[in-house]
Amino acid sequence: NAGVMQNPRHLVRRRGQEARLRCSPMKGHSHVYWYRQLPEEGLKFMVYLQKENIIDESGMPKERFSAEFPKEGPSILRIQQVVRGDSAAYFCASSPLSGVSTDTQYFGPGTRLTVL
Amino acid sequence: KNEVEQSPQNLTAQEGEFITINCSYSVGISALHWLQQHPGGGIVSLFMLSSGKKKHGRLIATINIQEKHSSLHITASHPRDSAVYICAVPYGGATNKLIFGTGTLLAVQP
Repeated sequence: NAGVMQNPRHLVRRRGQEARLRCSPMKGHSHVYWYRQLPEEGLKFMVYLQKENIIDESGMPKERFSAEFPKEGPSILRIQQVVRGDSAAYFCASSPLSGVSTDTQYFGPGTRLTVL
Repeated sequence: KNEVEQSPQNLTAQEGEFITINCSYSVGISALHWLQQHPGGGIVSLFMLSSGKKKHGRLIATINIQEKHSSLHITASHPRDSAVYICAVPYGGATNKLIFGTGTLLAVQP
């Protein structure tokens, strides 16, 4: 049973370009969380999705950021018109259940985005 | 004041020493996660606990829900234990999203 997969592992973009980050949850998991780790800062929640639904996007910047988790395929975090401040490590985590505080979240290896 | 606080922020130990990392939180939760992150690396979930104590190899985690405090202990520390250790608590009701401590950078010297 493969773990959570993220690709690419490293992504370099120039200012103004788009970045697409992909996350494939563990088999059987239908809940995905995206977290961001800015340089020298702790991890912060961005968005929580279930299949075809955004449940909580309270941590997402209001502009340029969007996320989806289609019925088929990976979850995608999309950043339009990237700026240098978007440079960070982006982690996704998956879990099989929602609303269960005792449920473990399994983290992917992260995508390290560098904006030149 | 952060809702999840860890201490110490940095810790240097000699190989073989017993290590304790503490986590205190102010949000109301019923469980807590301990995570490990190597420099430039991914995040590994070490423990999720809602009461009492859990042990895995040389790692021990304890939690006191009433006092909102948890500790992570490493016995017989080894240089390969060098990493950032992060505690995280679920909040936000049904979403189970995590709020994280700032992490403890542990360096174990041979």
